[in-house]
Amino acid sequence: DGGITQSPKYLFRKEGQNVTLSCEQNLNHDAMYWYRQDPGQGLRLIYYSQIVNDFQKGDIAEGYSVSREKKESFPLTVTSAQKNPTAFYLCASSTPQTGELFFGEGSRLTVL
Amino acid sequence: QQQVKQSPQSLIVQKGGIPIINCAYENTAFDYFPWYQQFPGKGPALLIAIRPDVSEKKEGRFTISFNKSAKQFSLHIMDSQPGDSATYFCAATSTGGYNKLIFGAGTRLAVHP
Repeated sequence: DGGITQSPKYLFRKEGQNVTLSCEQNLNHDAMYWYRQDPGQGLRLIYYSQIVNDFQKGDIAEGYSVSREKKESFPLTVTSAQKNPTAFYLCASSTPQTGELFFGEGSRLTVL
Repeated sequence: QQQVKQSPQSLIVQKGGIPIINCAYENTAFDYFPWYQQFPGKGPALLIAIRPDVSEKKEGRFTISFNKSAKQFSLHIMDSQPGDSATYFCAATSTGGYNKLIFGAGTRLAVHP
C-alpha cells in the first residue's frame, strides 16, 4: 500500500536533547512537508522540500532542521533550541498536479 | 493576504443535523480549496475539494459551497452522524507548482446521538 510512514508514534525527551522524527513515503511524490499541530492553532508549516537536496523554511522553522538526501525520506530534527517542542508533528507529501496533501499518522513529542 | 479564516472553532449538533463550517480568504490567486478531516491521534485526510469555476460540489453527505465574489467557502454535512465527529480544516492554495497549502485553524465538530 502506498502511503507515508512516520516514526516513532510517541516520543519522550528530556530538555536539552535533540530528537529526530522519521518520515518515509512510497508515493513517488517530489514534495514533502513537516507541520506542527497544537490545540486550537491548526497546522503550521515548519519546513518543506520540493526536490531532493533542497528545502525551504516554513512559518515556524526556528529550532528545527531537516534533510532531504533521498526522494522517499524527509527527517525532522527538533533541536534543543526549540523553546516549546511538545506537539503533534505531521509529515505530508504532494504532487503539483493536484495540490492534494497526503499525511502520515503523526508523531507526538513530549518534553519532560 | 495569505490567511484563511475559519469559523466556528467548535460546533455541537445532534445526529441528523446539518453542521456548517465557514472559511474566508483574501488572496485572489488561490484556485484550489480542499477540506481535510482529522480524527483524534490521526493525520488529516482529504475529504472534498473545489476549484473556483463551480459554486457547489457534493460528495455523498458532504457539500462545499463556494462564493468567489465574497471570497468565502463553506462545508455542509448533511444528515450528520456521530462518526462524523472530528476536526475539520479548510485550506487554500494556488496550483500549478509547489505552492504551500494555507490551512484554517480548524473546527472541532461533535455530533451527539
